[in-house]
Amino acid sequence: AQKITQTQPGMFVQEKEAVTLDCTYDTSDPSYGLFWYKQPSSGEMIFLIYQGSYDQQNATEGRYSLNFQKARKSANLVISASQLGDSAMYFCAMRESNTNAGKSTFGDGTTLTVKP
Amino acid sequence: EAGVAQSPRYKIIEKRQSVAFWCNPISGHATLYWYQQILGQGPKLLIQFQNNGVVDDSQLPKDRFSAERLKGVDSTLKIQPAKLEDSAVYLCASSLSPSVNGELFFGEGSRLTVL
Repeated sequence: AQKITQTQPGMFVQEKEAVTLDCTYDTSDPSYGLFWYKQPSSGEMIFLIYQGSYDQQNATEGRYSLNFQKARKSANLVISASQLGDSAMYFCAMRESNTNAGKSTFGDGTTLTVKP
Repeated sequence: EAGVAQSPRYKIIEKRQSVAFWCNPISGHATLYWYQQILGQGPKLLIQFQNNGVVDDSQLPKDRFSAERLKGVDSTLKIQPAKLEDSAVYLCASSLSPSVNGELFFGEGSRLTVL
């Protein structure tokens, strides 16, 4: 079974608007971490934001916030005030607990295009 | 702090030839991963090391792929013989520990083209 599902292969957003990138996950581990990474066309993978499974509040990092709904097993990334430089591929990833030795699984990504 | 180093950045080979990729993780990072990323897809885990031991190699095609991390620091991924479908970017990543709250730090990747 797919552990990380990103259902939006591509998304468009107007500059300065907000956009939500969807991510659902599947695990039986009670302890896990959810991550979002950005991969620009240059190829490097950049860490954006982290949410722990026991965290009570949604994570925020500058213009990035994570809408964590544990019961629905979803961890959507919200980018506010989109900028042209946000155009990239975005990956949702899950890191499972120490019993799984920190295995990190990635989704297939969403390509975000910011329009001027 | 130096990042994750990978080499070579680009490699073109004929099918059935062999190739090796090298990775030097961030100093002190005990956990090292090799991922295969085919164009337009997400990274797929090939092998995970904890220090110099293999934690997970369940998705490594062991008939042609091998990897080692002999001294628990740098690592080598080898493909022999290569197939056309091995054309991909091979990403090395490291983390301080296997803790669930630690992000992965990635190298720039090694792009392999098999002709």
